[in-house]
Amino acid sequence: NAGVIQTPRHKVTGKGQEATLWCEPISGHSAVFWYRQTIVQGLEFLTYFRNQAPIDDSGMPKERFSAQMPNQSHSTLKIQSTQPQDSAVYLCASSYDRYEQYFGPGTRLTVL
Amino acid sequence: GDQVEQSPSALSLHEGTGSALRCNFTTTMRAVQWFRKNSRGSLINLFYLASGTKENGRLKSAFDSKERYSTLHIRDAQLEDSGTYFCAAENTGYQNFYFGKGTSLTVIP
Repeated sequence: NAGVIQTPRHKVTGKGQEATLWCEPISGHSAVFWYRQTIVQGLEFLTYFRNQAPIDDSGMPKERFSAQMPNQSHSTLKIQSTQPQDSAVYLCASSYDRYEQYFGPGTRLTVL
Repeated sequence: GDQVEQSPSALSLHEGTGSALRCNFTTTMRAVQWFRKNSRGSLINLFYLASGTKENGRLKSAFDSKERYSTLHIRDAQLEDSGTYFCAAENTGYQNFYFGKGTSLTVIP
């Protein structure tokens, strides 16, 4: 079991560019979560899917951020027109039903 | 406002001693999970509790949903226990977590 896989591990983009982050949940897990970690805010929830359906995106910035889960094996977080304040570590986690969450190693996004 | 208040923010322990980390919740939570961030920055699961207590080696955790808190006790601290510990609480409505700000633990020889 490779655990939750996130790619890329590091991404550097220029201001205004698009960034797409990938997450592969643990096989058999029905829920996928996205979080963001910054020095200022700490760890904060963004959105999550259960059985590929979006359940709660209350933590997602209303503009420029979107998340998809086209199949059970991966989810993407897309940030359009990236801004320096989007720089953070983006974490993906998966869980089986309503049990503990397992986190991936994160993607460190740096927007110049 | 923050739904999870974690304390202390930093803690120093001499080897062999122990202490407790605490998370208070502003609302009723369904479950709590404790993590430790490893040297690579990954969040490693320590405990997941929906109630009661769990113990694993030198670590013990308790969760009281009614009283709105959880604790993580460390006994006989070792140098390798140094790191940042987070609690995360799962609210009763949804499955998303609310994280504490973390506790930076330093174990001193």
